Parts: sequence; structure tokens; C-alpha cells
Amino acid sequence: GDSVTQMEGPVTLSEEAFLTINCTYTATGYPSLFWYVQYPGEGLQLLLKATKADDKGSNKGFEATYRKETTSFHLEKGSVQVSDSAVYFCALSGGTSYGKLTFGQGTILTVHP
Amino acid sequence: NAGVTQTPKFQVLKTGQSMTLQCAQDMNHEYMSWYRQDPGMGLRLIHYSVGAGITDQGEVPNGYNVSRSTTEDFPLRLLSAAPSQTSVYFCASKRGESYEQYFGPGTRLTVT
Repeated sequence: GDSVTQMEGPVTLSEEAFLTINCTYTATGYPSLFWYVQYPGEGLQLLLKATKADDKGSNKGFEATYRKETTSFHLEKGSVQVSDSAVYFCALSGGTSYGKLTFGQGTILTVHP
Repeated sequence: NAGVTQTPKFQVLKTGQSMTLQCAQDMNHEYMSWYRQDPGMGLRLIHYSVGAGITDQGEVPNGYNVSRSTTEDFPLRLLSAAPSQTSVYFCASKRGESYEQYFGPGTRLTVT
């Protein structure tokens, strides 16, 4: 079945540092890929998405490129802020699963001033 | 527009008790789903619905029941609570053809 693997956390960075959170996936067909963010005490929010190979999703300074050849969707940000501290989830929705999301384990990001 | 709402926010149950977690959305979304979030495991799908009167099982359905009598509501019933059901539960919804799912704020359930 479908699966998503994220780099193990937690990740601790200083403000303005560069962020990478790795995500790889296994899926049949042509899945759509997502990054969700969960701020403390809140539900998940969609951060960005990519629906086909080589698409780049971007939002709030975060970017991720859908790499079919390496089955990856790594999240990057050039300069993190304290307000980016949250849990980040990589997820996929398979081509035949009509909206069912398969999530990675989540990565806790803490940014210090 | 309240989005996706869930009640209660917190609940403590004893083993064997039953209860219903409520979920409602006011966006006229066809698709609704329930996930549980456990440390180190991400979110796992419990049940989902593609429209009123239609439900199906997800990855971890055992011990849970759902029904969808209206477009707006999608309650999750725990039939006989077990400590293994201690978790944070999230409800989500989306329009049928959209990619974006909207999540509620979650219900933290503890079973002792």
C-alpha cells in the first residue's frame, strides 16, 4: 500500500537558518503530494501541494518539488522564523483513493531566536 | 463560516464506556473523514464518507462506528472504549473535486 517516510525529528534551528525536511513516498499510480503544518494546540493546515511530477508547490516562503524519479517531496525554506515552529507532515493522496490521505510520521521543528 | 468544528475538546473515559465525538462542517463539503494522531505515527484514517448515507472504512476502523445522515455532520462513535484508543482525533472535510482538506481543532481522548 501507499506509505510516506519523513526524516526523524525533532529539528532545532536558529532564526534565519536554512530548513530541509526530507520526505519520500511509495505509491501506486500518480499520487498528489502535500505538506501540512500543525501549530501548537491547533488542527492541521495545508501548507503547499503538488499534483504532478516536477510541479513545485510554494507558500509562505516554503517550497517543495515533486520528484518522481526519486519519489521525494522535500520541504525547504531559506530563512526560518520563530513563528515557523510547528509540526510538519508530508502526505499523499493516491490516484484512486479519492481524498484519503496517507501521512508521514511528522517532524517537530523548533526555531530559536 | 465556522469551518470544521469538533466537540468536545477533551474527554476522559473509563475502559468499556461508550461515547460519540461530534464533527460538523458548514462548507457543504461532500467528503468527510476521521483520523487519529498518535506520537511517531502521523495521522491514520479511521473512517470516511463521500456523501450523506455513504461511509467506508479506513486504515484503523476497529472499535469505531460512523454514520452520515446529513451533509454537515459526521459523528464518530466509540462502542466500548479501550486504553489503546487514547489519542487525538481529527475530523476533516473537502469538496469532492478539491485537493485541500480542512481539519478541525481536534479532540484529545484519554481512556483509563
